[in-house]
Amino acid sequence: EAGVTQSPTHLIKTRGQQATLRCSPISGHTSVYWYQQALGLGLQFLLWYDEGEERNRGNFPPRFSGRQFPNYSSELNVNALELEDSALYLCASSLGFVGAGNGGYTFGSGTRLTVV
Amino acid sequence: KQEVTQIPAALSVPEGENLVLNCSFTDSAIYNLQWFRQDPGKGLTSLLLIQSSQREQTSGRLNASLDKSSGRSTLYIAASQPGDSATYLCAVRLIKAAGNKLTFGGGTRVLVKP
Repeated sequence: EAGVTQSPTHLIKTRGQQATLRCSPISGHTSVYWYQQALGLGLQFLLWYDEGEERNRGNFPPRFSGRQFPNYSSELNVNALELEDSALYLCASSLGFVGAGNGGYTFGSGTRLTVV
Repeated sequence: KQEVTQIPAALSVPEGENLVLNCSFTDSAIYNLQWFRQDPGKGLTSLLLIQSSQREQTSGRLNASLDKSSGRSTLYIAASQPGDSATYLCAVRLIKAAGNKLTFGGGTRVLVKP
């Protein structure tokens, strides 16, 4: 079974540009989550998508946005990049919130975004 | 607001010694608790998942306990090996009404010396 896949692995952008990060969940998982892990900081929750809808959002400015496609893959967009956006961005997937079964998260290997 | 704390922040032990990693959380309205391992610059690898109704889970040398009423979980790693060196993260999944997000502790960085 293929795991959660993220692309690209590394991304270098200039301040002010836009970055697009992609995530493909495990087959059968309908929920996708995005997390930011900046150097020296913990994992911060960004976004949760389920069944194509944004269900919850962390404490991040509106220039962090995303979407989920009909095949449940997801895209994270970061507009007007700032130097402090440099971080490892992790995507995770899980079964939809059905209240039963294994509710564990499976994480991808991440996208390392560097803003210069 | 759910807060997750991990103690100690760092741990160094000689090979063969047992590891005890602690995790505490403030809100007991959780769906489950998950322990992860993270190697430097890499993604997260799930180690153990404990549902809110369970008391413990075991996998090989790993055993994790959950005491929801006191807001605590402990990860035990028996007979540590140098390959166990990594950062260990505990995370609680809130119930849907609380937003369904996974809240992480700050992690415990483990070094197992040969």
